[in-house]
Amino acid sequence: DGGITQSPKYLFRKEGQNVTLSCEQNLNHDAMYWYRQDPGQGLRLIYYSQIVNDFQKGDIAEGYSVSREKKESFPLTVTSAQKNPTAFYLCASRVGDRVVNEQFFGPGTRLTVL
Amino acid sequence: QQPVQSPQAVILREGEDAVINCSSSKALYSVHWYRQKHGEAPVFLMILLKGGEQKGHEKISASFNEKKQQSSLYLTASQLSYSGTYFCGIPNAGGTSYGKLTFGQGTILTVHP
Repeated sequence: DGGITQSPKYLFRKEGQNVTLSCEQNLNHDAMYWYRQDPGQGLRLIYYSQIVNDFQKGDIAEGYSVSREKKESFPLTVTSAQKNPTAFYLCASRVGDRVVNEQFFGPGTRLTVL
Repeated sequence: QQPVQSPQAVILREGEDAVINCSSSKALYSVHWYRQKHGEAPVFLMILLKGGEQKGHEKISASFNEKKQQSSLYLTASQLSYSGTYFCGIPNAGGTSYGKLTFGQGTILTVHP
């Protein structure tokens, strides 16, 4: 079955540590996105990539980094510079980059900083 | 700029109708609608395009207001499965922002038996 996978589902991190969240898709989608969701909040865009080896900052990129070495993979690193990293992280992908196409979301990773 | 959704929350009984609004400071050319169950990923519902065409869910409809600065999502004869948080997303067109969606803060819909 085609889809988006994120791992792990739950992640615990100590303050000061970097952590990498995985996102893989086998939908052959060009564009991929990372969102952060806080309780009772909407989805805020962290980074997005329209093509391999290229990515753009979203609205809240500070303290995060990404790479896009393969079409299928778009890992997100939460660095120690991120002041308040505890949140629900969602990865999404979309066919091409046209606004008429829907985004497909992965199941999410819930990150908790201890 | 983030779209503003209203109401923030709505409670219904099965079979009742609901309307969720998504407002923008600029004219809208398309609006995406998603529903998220608690702790799960958002699921695509539909896209409303500038000509009024809709792509997506058969039992849910949407429209623009006259100035196209607001979109309304219509949920008719609601079912228990309609419960969740509804998000609208508007695209940023042009330049490097092409294809990026900005989401509203969400509307919590609760349907009771």
